[in-house]
Amino acid sequence: EAGVVQSPRYKIIEKKQPVAFWCNPISGHNTLYWYLQNLGQGPELLIRYENEEAVDDSQLPKDRFSAERLKGVDSTLKIQPAELGDSAVYLCASSLEGSGEAFFGQGTRLTVV
Amino acid sequence: GDSVTQMEGPVTLSEEAFLTINCTYTATGYPSLFWYVQYPGEGLQLLLKATKADDKGSNKGFEATYRKETTSFHLEKGSVQVSDSAVYFCALRRVTGGGNKLTFGTGTQLKVEL
Repeated sequence: EAGVVQSPRYKIIEKKQPVAFWCNPISGHNTLYWYLQNLGQGPELLIRYENEEAVDDSQLPKDRFSAERLKGVDSTLKIQPAELGDSAVYLCASSLEGSGEAFFGQGTRLTVV
Repeated sequence: GDSVTQMEGPVTLSEEAFLTINCTYTATGYPSLFWYVQYPGEGLQLLLKATKADDKGSNKGFEATYRKETTSFHLEKGSVQVSDSAVYFCALRRVTGGGNKLTFGTGTQLKVEL
């Protein structure tokens, strides 16, 4: 069974440019999460989806970050415009249901220059 | 709010040495506790878990016991191998609003040398 797939693995962009990350969760998993992992830190939740509904986006900086999960399957996280401080690893995870074990993708390492 | 504190790294050990990585937590209610491992270039993988007090989680020779009285979940392994070199994250989970809320520690890097 395929795990959580994220792309791209690495992205380098100039500040003020837009960037998007894509995540395909494990088939059948209703819950999808986006986490931010700064260097030397643990992951922090940005947003959680139950199917296509964002049920917890309290930590998402909505002035520049947006996310969508159309059709309740794969998801896209966007930053526009990117800032130097956005350089980090963006992790996607999914679980069968809200209280189930979360499985993580390999992450997208973003570098803003 | 919820928080997880784990010992700072890097921890450097010789192969076959005993490993302890300390983890303590602060949370309301009765969280579940986890250890995740992140090997170089890979995503987070669940290593072990415990869902209630006095439970012991174990996997691949690693163990951790949920101690409610000391709010701790220390990770141990009797004999580490070079292949155990990775970053280890302690985490707690509370179910809020019908879903998971995972709170992670800052991670502890383990380096095992021959």
